Amino acid sequence: TQLLEQSPQFLSIQEGENLTVYCNSSSVFSSLQWYRQEPGEGPVLLVTVVTGGEVKKLKRLTFQFGDARKDSSLHITAAQTGDTGLYLCAGGAGNTPLVFGKGTRLSVIA
Amino acid sequence: NAGVTQTPKFRVLKTGQSMTLLCAQDMNHEYMYWYRQDPGMGLRLIHYSVGEGTTAKGEVPDGYNVSRLKKQNFLLGLESAAPSQTSVYFCASSYGSGYEQYFGPGTRLTVT
Repeated sequence: TQLLEQSPQFLSIQEGENLTVYCNSSSVFSSLQWYRQEPGEGPVLLVTVVTGGEVKKLKRLTFQFGDARKDSSLHITAAQTGDTGLYLCAGGAGNTPLVFGKGTRLSVIA
Repeated sequence: NAGVTQTPKFRVLKTGQSMTLLCAQDMNHEYMYWYRQDPGMGLRLIHYSVGEGTTAKGEVPDGYNVSRLKKQNFLLGLESAAPSQTSVYFCASSYGSGYEQYFGPGTRLTVT
């Protein structure tokens, strides 16, 4: 069974601070997706990474896929209150459905 | 383009009652999924479908049944609701197994 472990589970920071959240597995994935979920809504895709070592930037968010395609990180620079939400990583492999981590709940305080 | 819609948004059931949740997508996606989300447990896959007329079990299928009679619709049924089925249910669809999943807004179900 493929598992994705996300850390930390909860994170509360002040506006303007930087942060990194992690998504780790003992399994290799062909792709890794990051979603953000706001209260009362469904998750929405932020990015997909498919190549080991790949780095993608989305404004203040930087996503990295590990060289061995077993882990990923999300770094947010100068966090804003609008970044508050649940961040989920999901791994894809073959024809099986995506495997989701349990998420990191981020709270950015003004 | 509505994306993925779910009906109803909220429901309260008594133990032993039955109900059906409806999911509809207008993106012509082959794959559809039903998840439940509980505090601290993340998204857990209940059942999924890889095309019209097909269904498969996910991680937590017990107590639920599904049907995919039309490509755009995916129904989740609870035959005899239990308090342990109190949760937020999300439907999603995708082009294929490793592709982006598009989620509906969720259904909050309470079983008393």
